[in-house]
Amino acid sequence: QSVLTQPPSASGTLGQKVTISCSGGGSNVGKNPVTWYQQHPGAAPRPLIYNFNERPSGVPERFSGSKSDTSASLAISDLQSEDGAHYFCAAWDDRLSGYVFGGGTQVTVL
Amino acid sequence: DVHLEESGGTSKHPGESLRLSCGAAGFTFSSYSMNWVRQAPGKGLEWIAYINSNGETTYYAESLQGRFIISRDNAKSSLYLRINRLRAEDTAVYYCTRDLLLPTGRFCDYWGQGTLVTVS
Repeated sequence: QSVLTQPPSASGTLGQKVTISCSGGGSNVGKNPVTWYQQHPGAAPRPLIYNFNERPSGVPERFSGSKSDTSASLAISDLQSEDGAHYFCAAWDDRLSGYVFGGGTQVTVL
Repeated sequence: DVHLEESGGTSKHPGESLRLSCGAAGFTFSSYSMNWVRQAPGKGLEWIAYINSNGETTYYAESLQGRFIISRDNAKSSLYLRINRLRAEDTAVYYCTRDLLLPTGRFCDYWGQGTLVTVS
């Protein structure tokens, strides 16, 4: 059972907007920035959003993050076929002194 | 460019031990904390351990304490993970990650491609 809670799946058609939630607690999401990772089959996770809503170089502006109290969200606007992947949220947990992850959300582009 | 490459993954029997390595290039290894994260087949990500830049501070996932040992050799720009008393549930791809500390918090900014450990 993951410390952070994500829906197992989400879907949308090309061009639509998809939002994924990540629910945690006061020692992790409530206190530290959430990072969102994208993972395609057979590949390593790639950071999409870090430090609340910053994107590493090369990540399209279609990806955005937000946070409220102990929950965070990843929004994918203008959904593209290459966005079909697994998405994980993560945060440092001050009580556990380590990273905690969500169980992952499989995004399907219909 | 930052590059992390894990090695040492192989097939083992339950009860055996294993040491994984991660070679780093493209950045000043001795200036960064590092982590190990694993992913069982078809499952999510699980953080295993953290080590600070000089190796003096380590943290472990509570559920894994006692069998996993993280270490580093800054002179060789290498990170290590020793796993003792292997269990079937240790079967996973093991990733090393670089830890980036920002004023607001930290995250794993670079990941290796992973190395597969199979225990059966």
